[in-house]
Amino acid sequence: GQNIDQPTEMTATEGAIVQINCTYQTSGFNGLFWYQQHAGEAPTFLSYNVLDGLEEKGRFSSFLSRSKGYSYLLLKELQMKDSASYLCAATYTGGGNKLTFGTGTQLKVEL
Amino acid sequence: DSGVTQTPKHLITATGQRVTLRCSPRSGDLSVYWYQQSLDQGLQFLIQYYNGEERAKGNILERFSAQQFPDLHSELNLSSLELGDSALYFCASSVPDGYTGANVLTFGAGSRLTVL
Repeated sequence: GQNIDQPTEMTATEGAIVQINCTYQTSGFNGLFWYQQHAGEAPTFLSYNVLDGLEEKGRFSSFLSRSKGYSYLLLKELQMKDSASYLCAATYTGGGNKLTFGTGTQLKVEL
Repeated sequence: DSGVTQTPKHLITATGQRVTLRCSPRSGDLSVYWYQQSLDQGLQFLIQYYNGEERAKGNILERFSAQQFPDLHSELNLSSLELGDSALYFCASSVPDGYTGANVLTFGAGSRLTVL
């Protein structure tokens, strides 16, 4: 299989920084996506990494290490509206643009 | 608005019944992906169509079938429904992202199916 693992739940404080980790199977790996999903809504695209390193996009950054099969999503200056599920997803060779998702990390931002 | 349209938004039916979920991809996009999201599981890939042809198949049950029509809309048919089929069903198109250059799956709002 193409197991994608991420923590089930995390809690952080408004204004703080939180890092959500994700590990994936490296065999046949192409690229790594992060999506945000609010309860009952559609997932929305946050970031994409294909090369090693950090991609920064406003308050959100995403990191990839291809050799370690590891990625993280970094959220800065947390806001209450950031409370959501964060989904790590990967594409693999032969899968086209099909995404294989992890089960998601439910982030709760508290005052 | 993602440009991917799904109907119906909500559907309640009984075990043993059959339902059809409909998806219209973004204008001009040839691809359609179907995903199932249950409470205790993540997004599970069901099936992909590209320009009317089946392109990839995931963990789709034999009781489920799909097709993509010449106008590119797609339908997901779920039959002999069981309680465990209750889930959110998402349709997605593959859209080039202007910032990263990646082909990004863009999801519709989903169809929530409840089987009683």
